[in-house]
Amino acid sequence: GDSVTQMEGPVTLSEEAFLTINCTYTATGYPSLFWYVQYPGEGLQLLLKATKADDKGSNKGFEATYRKETTSFHLEKGSVQVSDSAVYFCALLFSSGSARQLTFGSGTQLTVLP
Amino acid sequence: DAGVIQSPRHEVTEMGQEVTLRCKPISGHDYLFWYRQTMMRGLELLIYFNNNVPIDDSGMPEDRFSAKMPNASFSTLKIQPSEPRDSAVYFCASSFFGPANYGYTFGSGTRLTVV
Repeated sequence: GDSVTQMEGPVTLSEEAFLTINCTYTATGYPSLFWYVQYPGEGLQLLLKATKADDKGSNKGFEATYRKETTSFHLEKGSVQVSDSAVYFCALLFSSGSARQLTFGSGTQLTVLP
Repeated sequence: DAGVIQSPRHEVTEMGQEVTLRCKPISGHDYLFWYRQTMMRGLELLIYFNNNVPIDDSGMPEDRFSAKMPNASFSTLKIQPSEPRDSAVYFCASSFFGPANYGYTFGSGTRLTVV
């Protein structure tokens, strides 16, 4: 079945460092891909998405490009802030008829130090 | 819009008791999902509905769990009887799969502790 593999955490960076969180997927067909962020004590929030190959999703300085040839959707940010500390989830969406299945990776804890 | 509203935010109950979690989706959304989050298993999809009809309940752990969606603005997840291993954060999410929107909106979750 469809699955998502995320980079193991936790990740600790200094403020203004470059961030990469790796995400690869296995899927039949062409799923939509997402990054969600979860701040402590809160639900998941959609960070960015890409619905087809070569699409680049971006939001709040974060970017990810849908790479079909490497089945990847790595999350990047050029300069992280303390406020970016959270858990990040990669996810893929399978759709067929009325069926919808959003499959999440295991999550990557990011801590940014001042 | 107030977003997806879940209640209660926290629930502490004794083993064997019935627990009911509630969710109000965003108006106009036609899909509703129930997830469970634990450190050991991460995020697990329990069940989801489309237009109030259950589509896939294969993630429901056992018969002690049941979910209903009597109308487009309300859903419940019930555990009877509850067990300590049911302790987790339960999230409800809703979505509308139009051509330009494939994202889910999550509620803030219900933290369930069964003692």
